[in-house]
Amino acid sequence: EVQLVQSGAEVKKPGESLKISCKGSGYSFTDHWIAWVRQMPGKGLEWMGIIHPRDSDTKYSPSFQGQVTISADKSMSTAYLQRSSLKASDTAMYYCARLVGTSTSGSDYWGQGTLVTVSS
Amino acid sequence: QSVLTQPPSVSGAPGQRVTISCTGSSSNIGAGYDVHWYQQLPGTAPKLLIYGNRNRPSGVPDRFSGSKSGTSASLAITGLQAEDEADYYCQSYDISLSGVGFGGGTKLTVL
Repeated sequence: EVQLVQSGAEVKKPGESLKISCKGSGYSFTDHWIAWVRQMPGKGLEWMGIIHPRDSDTKYSPSFQGQVTISADKSMSTAYLQRSSLKASDTAMYYCARLVGTSTSGSDYWGQGTLVTVSS
Repeated sequence: QSVLTQPPSVSGAPGQRVTISCTGSSSNIGAGYDVHWYQQLPGTAPKLLIYGNRNRPSGVPDRFSGSKSGTSASLAITGLQAEDEADYYCQSYDISLSGVGFGGGTKLTVL
């Protein structure tokens, strides 16, 4: 069974750093792109970027370029999303998702989401 | 501002047919990029409903269908059921973004 399991909820203070994880299982982790998607409270989905675990080829949305770092450790079948200098506006649910095929394809499996709360 | 435009809300009675539009441009749908659709039930992660414009993943009922024409795409749901009440999002690659864009989402209410 294909699964993406994300790390647990985080509560951070403004200015702190964040690193959340997404562990894939039930498939060959190096065969599929992984995407990160943000959903702010009560809002829609925002595509942040993707990474291919085979060679760590990474593409960022212009809105998130320079704001976050996406990485992967293929030996651990895990992808990561990092953000430094958190702000209250980073409060959101963050999802990882596996792409079906190419970098422009849809995402067939999603993690359960990681809720990040940034508050002083 | 989303590169794909969806109506904020649609509604229908049980058993009826509803459609949700997704309007793009020559930078995305009109450029030939595939459209994908997701269903997000309250408090849950999105679920892939349609990929590659009209393909259903296994397990998705055939009540759900997708189509694409020109710079737009549509999701049709027939035989509406109460369990279909959710948010629906379209997605496509956008040249100007050099990445993927989502529509703003459409809330489906089953009356």
